[in-house]
Amino acid sequence: DVKVTQSSRYLVKRTGEKVFLECVQDMDHENMFWYRQDPGLGLRLIYFSYDVKMKEKGDIPEGYSVSREKKERFSLILESASTNQTSMYLCASSLVGTSTSTDTQYFGPGTRLTVL
Amino acid sequence: GQNIDQPTEMTATEGAIVQINCTYQTSGFNGLFWYQQHAGEAPTFLSYNVLDGLEEKGRFSSFLSRSKGYSYLLLKELQMKDSASYLCAAGSIGNTPLVFGKGTRLSVIA
Repeated sequence: DVKVTQSSRYLVKRTGEKVFLECVQDMDHENMFWYRQDPGLGLRLIYFSYDVKMKEKGDIPEGYSVSREKKERFSLILESASTNQTSMYLCASSLVGTSTSTDTQYFGPGTRLTVL
Repeated sequence: GQNIDQPTEMTATEGAIVQINCTYQTSGFNGLFWYQQHAGEAPTFLSYNVLDGLEEKGRFSSFLSRSKGYSYLLLKELQMKDSASYLCAAGSIGNTPLVFGKGTRLSVIA
């Protein structure tokens, strides 16, 4: 079974703090993704990565950065947390997308971040 | 552009059948996914369709019509535990990320 883990289930930070959200997958997947999920807005893609040291902006990258130094680990960084970044953050991974169901993304349990 | 539409909310009775529809517009379409997400939890993979037709998995079935840009998820013999959000997502060729709909929140009532 694919396992995607996230460093924290719940996190409370103060405005202006630097926040690190860690994600680890154990299935040797090439692709990793960071989303945030807010009521009424659905899943929104922040950043994704196709390989070590590679990153691509998603739909809402502003205020975030990412790091992928190892294949199994993808970190999301909030350089200076703001209250509008209070959200559920979900990490996902998948094999390289081809023409099969290898596109299937497997999600971690999520981190509910509150910025005060 | 890419666009996924599905109803925001649905209510159905325990033991009944419910159909959740999804329409999509994506370039380079490469498969349609359905995920289930219980409140406060992560989405979990339910089904994948890349060819037209119906795929059945126990109480859940998923249908795809590529010419119409349309899919549905069919849930039979509804149980209370089926109360969840159901997310439709479209894949595109070229290793691009899935595009997710906003989800349909299904409430199963007694």
